[in-house]
Amino acid sequence: GAGVSQSPRYKVAKRGQDVALRCDPISGHVSLFWYQQALGQGPEFLTYFQNEAQLDKSGLPSDRFFAERPEGSVSTLKIQRTQQEDSAVYLCASTSGTVSYEQYFGPGTRLTVT
Amino acid sequence: QKEVEQNSGPLSVPEGAIASLNCTYSDRGSQSFFWYRQYSGKSPELIMSIYSNGDKEDGRFTAQLNKASQYVSLLIRDSQPSDSATYLCAVSSAGNMLTFGGGTRLMVKP
Repeated sequence: GAGVSQSPRYKVAKRGQDVALRCDPISGHVSLFWYQQALGQGPEFLTYFQNEAQLDKSGLPSDRFFAERPEGSVSTLKIQRTQQEDSAVYLCASTSGTVSYEQYFGPGTRLTVT
Repeated sequence: QKEVEQNSGPLSVPEGAIASLNCTYSDRGSQSFFWYRQYSGKSPELIMSIYSNGDKEDGRFTAQLNKASQYVSLLIRDSQPSDSATYLCAVSSAGNMLTFGGGTRLMVKP
């Protein structure tokens, strides 16, 4: 079956621009997570949804970061007024959250802020 | 601060040998433990999950968990050059977010 998909795969933004990153989870997966991965480091948690409810946003680095999942499937991570330190790979993962807690990752979006 | 620690490596093993990757974690409330493989430029790929003390085997991979020592390991038997990647240890509690270590880079030399 189809895995987690993300778009765009690559995004170049000028400092100060707003960007929107999309995640389409595995069909039927209840829980969706966003992570940020800097070069040479492990992924770091940003935020978590169970269906349409955002249950944890403690990892969002600033109020410029905003995520939503209005219908409980596709999610969008928005970054306003991008800064150079936002350059990273943004990973989305989903899990059934019922049968198992295994999280499956999408291919990621590589964001470069110039 | 919940932490997961891994030796960054690189860990170099000859083809056919056993590669042993280790991970320690600080949160005693952790309940779920995972190993992900990440090739350069790719996203993490789940290879093993383990939830209770002891060993869990899947093909050439064995995950070992010791909650008393807060220690997780991954053994790769008959290592192949295609196993060369970064291996990420991740832990979570109650199906919540994953906390990752920094990863161990494994190099399998032909």
